[in-house]
Amino acid sequence: GAGVSQSPRYKVAKRGQDVALRCDPISGHVSLFWYQQALGQGPEFLTYFQNEAQLDKSGLPSDRFFAERPEGSVSTLKIQRTQQEDSAVYLCASSKRGQGKTDTQYFGPGTRLTVL
Amino acid sequence: GQNIDQPTEMTATEGAIVQINCTYQTSGFNGLFWYQQHAGEAPTFLSYNVLDGLEEKGRFSSFLSRSKGYSYLLLKELQMKDSASYLCAVPWGDSWGKLQFGAGTQVVVTP
Repeated sequence: GAGVSQSPRYKVAKRGQDVALRCDPISGHVSLFWYQQALGQGPEFLTYFQNEAQLDKSGLPSDRFFAERPEGSVSTLKIQRTQQEDSAVYLCASSKRGQGKTDTQYFGPGTRLTVL
Repeated sequence: GQNIDQPTEMTATEGAIVQINCTYQTSGFNGLFWYQQHAGEAPTFLSYNVLDGLEEKGRFSSFLSRSKGYSYLLLKELQMKDSASYLCAVPWGDSWGKLQFGAGTQVVVTP
């Protein structure tokens, strides 16, 4: 079946522009995670959704970062007034179960954001 | 969050065996994941250990010692396609299952 997909795969933005990154999780998966991965590092947690509810946004670096999943499937990560330090790969992952269940997360290919 | 340590890079020849170690803090432990990530691609799931011992899955095996806060991933009969970054990760914090990753171990397989 289809895996997690993300779009665009690459995004170049000028400093100060707003960007929107899309994630299509595996159909029927309850949990959705966003991670940020800097070059040569492991992914770092940004935020978590259980269905449409955003239950954890403790990893969002600043109030310029905003995520939503209004119908419990597709999610969008928005970054306002992008800064050079926002340059990274943004990974989305989904898992079948929800709260309280450690479950395998399936990752999308990521969006590579470059801020000039 | 967790403090997860793994070596930065390992080099081995085709057909050989490589062992990638990972150490983590033991408090609130709830299992350990290994993922493989080729450059520019998604991390892909390799294994999940929650109990002590060795789990074998084809050429890849994963070992866990909860008392020592230690795991390793063993790659046997190395192939060129195994050249990738290998990420160790543990769930942490509350119960949502968010993962704390190590920085990854870059494995380079040479002919």
